[in-house]
Amino acid sequence: EAQVTQNPRYLITVTGKKLTVTCSQNMNHEYMSWYRQDPGLGLRQIYYSMNVEVTDKGDVPEGYKVSRKEKRNFPLILESPSPNQTSLYFCASWGTGFLNEQFFGPGTRLTVL
Amino acid sequence: RKEVEQDPGPFNVPEGATVAFNCTYSNSASQSFFWYRQDCRKEPKLLMSVYSSGNEDGRFTAQLNRASQYISLLIRDSKLSDSATYLCVVNSMTTDSWGKLQFGAGTQVVVTP
Repeated sequence: EAQVTQNPRYLITVTGKKLTVTCSQNMNHEYMSWYRQDPGLGLRQIYYSMNVEVTDKGDVPEGYKVSRKEKRNFPLILESPSPNQTSLYFCASWGTGFLNEQFFGPGTRLTVL
Repeated sequence: RKEVEQDPGPFNVPEGATVAFNCTYSNSASQSFFWYRQDCRKEPKLLMSVYSSGNEDGRFTAQLNRASQYISLLIRDSKLSDSATYLCVVNSMTTDSWGKLQFGAGTQVVVTP
């Protein structure tokens, strides 16, 4: 089954404690991206990747890091989480072409205390 | 000004009625457009891509107006299951912004019996 998986689905942590949210896709997609969703603001792109070892900032990259060492994986790293990073996070992947559908993971609800 | 703007609603629609709403975008270089559906903080899922000539998928019709820089979605014969938030997505796909997508904050539709 074609899918994007994220782990963990729910996470409560404390300020400053490094964490990683994993994302994996099994569709051999070139593009992957991380978004955060906050009430009234919609989805905002954090980072995206065109292919292995190629990443770029989205609209809200501050406080986040990513890596793309393998085509299927695109982890999101919060080196020192802060309460303003409490949000719902989605990973997505898609192939090349103008009208290619983005496939989203199920989301990760992160709370930073 | 946000790059992609939507009326947040909610649009309260009697079952069987027609509802339509728009999404405006600010970047005239935008090249691909989509409508996604999101249920109650779950992952967004593609509803339909929007083609230049407009397109229809069952009860759903999407239109693109490049001159006025908006896309629209019309839902005919609304079903209770159409209750959701509809996200407008715009992709510029230029050499500087490959993979960089902009999401509207969403339009909430509530279909009532």
